[in-house]
Amino acid sequence: SAVISQKPSRDICQRGTSLTIQCQVDSQVTMMFWYRQQPGQSLTLIATANQGSEATYESGFVIDKFPISRPNLTFSTLTVSNMSPEDSSIYLCSAQGGVVDGYTFGSGTRLTVV
Amino acid sequence: AQSVTQLDSQVPVFEEAPVELRCNYSSSVSVYLFWYVQYPNQGLQLLLKYLSGSTLVKGINGFEAEFNKSQTSFHLRKPSVHISDTAEYFCAVSDQNSGNTPLVFGKGTRLSVIA
Repeated sequence: SAVISQKPSRDICQRGTSLTIQCQVDSQVTMMFWYRQQPGQSLTLIATANQGSEATYESGFVIDKFPISRPNLTFSTLTVSNMSPEDSSIYLCSAQGGVVDGYTFGSGTRLTVV
Repeated sequence: AQSVTQLDSQVPVFEEAPVELRCNYSSSVSVYLFWYVQYPNQGLQLLLKYLSGSTLVKGINGFEAEFNKSQTSFHLRKPSVHISDTAEYFCAVSDQNSGNTPLVFGKGTRLSVIA
């Protein structure tokens, strides 16, 4: 199954700034997904990123706050913009390497906004 | 749209005792089912998945799950737990008929193994 390298693994940021999270997949995948996991909570889908088109955002998430890039079939970035303490969460990327392989997740980015 | 209900938010169990973590799903279409484990301060690791075929699925670390279509359940079991099994467990579902759809997760069950 695909292996995803996600970075940074953690960061502490000042409110009002932005952080870009990167995910590199070791094989080509059609779709990548970005999730947020707030403290003590489950994973909530932020958006689906398809190469060559704009990301599709879930209700409650907007492109201005969480812009996503997908320049090729092995890479994607998520930016958390104009951060506030409420953005403190773990952010995870995921890719589906095919039905049999299932879904792979990056190791997550633990973001703390102060 | 699919949804997943994990009936227990926390499950404490003594070491070497059996455990069952319950998961029910709701979907109008056929689904694939997954269990993931998240150890403290780590990412998600796939325990097992049901795609088709035998309804009893065996995974890593001695875990198994049984798919019950009539009860729309996919409960996770282990006959004898270890301290190292202490973690958060997530049940997830995806649409079998649509390619490249994201996983929908349950709220998670925190398994605490007591020595």
